[in-house]
Amino acid sequence: SQKIEQNSEALNIQEGKTATLTCNYTNYSPAYLQWYRQDPGRGPVFLLLIRENEKEKRKERLKVTFDTTLKQSLFHITASQPADSATYLCALLAGSQGNLIFGKGTKLSVKP
Amino acid sequence: DAGITQSPRYKITETGRQVTLMCHQTWSHSYMFWYRQDLGHGLRLIYYSAAADITDKGEVPDGYVVSRSKTENFPLTLESATRSQTSVYFCASKESGGQQFFGPGTRLTVL
Repeated sequence: SQKIEQNSEALNIQEGKTATLTCNYTNYSPAYLQWYRQDPGRGPVFLLLIRENEKEKRKERLKVTFDTTLKQSLFHITASQPADSATYLCALLAGSQGNLIFGKGTKLSVKP
Repeated sequence: DAGITQSPRYKITETGRQVTLMCHQTWSHSYMFWYRQDLGHGLRLIYYSAAADITDKGEVPDGYVVSRSKTENFPLTLESATRSQTSVYFCASKESGGQQFFGPGTRLTVL
């Protein structure tokens, strides 16, 4: 069966460091992968989309990589700030209708 | 207001009662989705819709009914609520090939 895993439930880092979150999947060949941010009591908010033919995508302090051979995506936040503290979700396109399958998320805490 | 809204935001009901959660979007997006989010499971797709009058089951559809008579509305009905349906429910919408926009969520408690 199709499976998507985010390796860490929680990640604690110091302000200014780079946070790296991992998303692995099996039994998929997704056309694209997305990353979302979710704050407590709120719905997820889209951050980045990376397609299968793209190795890397950047947006401000965010960088996403997509390795279809390893079946893995890495999500980096450089120069992290306490305001980056949130849960980050990866999601894969699961069907032709645009429905996504989500990982369980990694809760990032950035300490000042 | 533009965007995607859900109502009610909080709901407490009893086992066996029928409950309808509302979702409304102002973008005229073709696709709409219902998810539930539970500790230990993450977001799981209940139902989705590609257009008005077209709906399809997701990963966990049992006990739920949806309809989509208008593009902007996608109500989710629990016909006979059970305790296992206590959860946070999120509605989302999108156009083809892109990000999903999520509503603020409805926290449902079934006693």
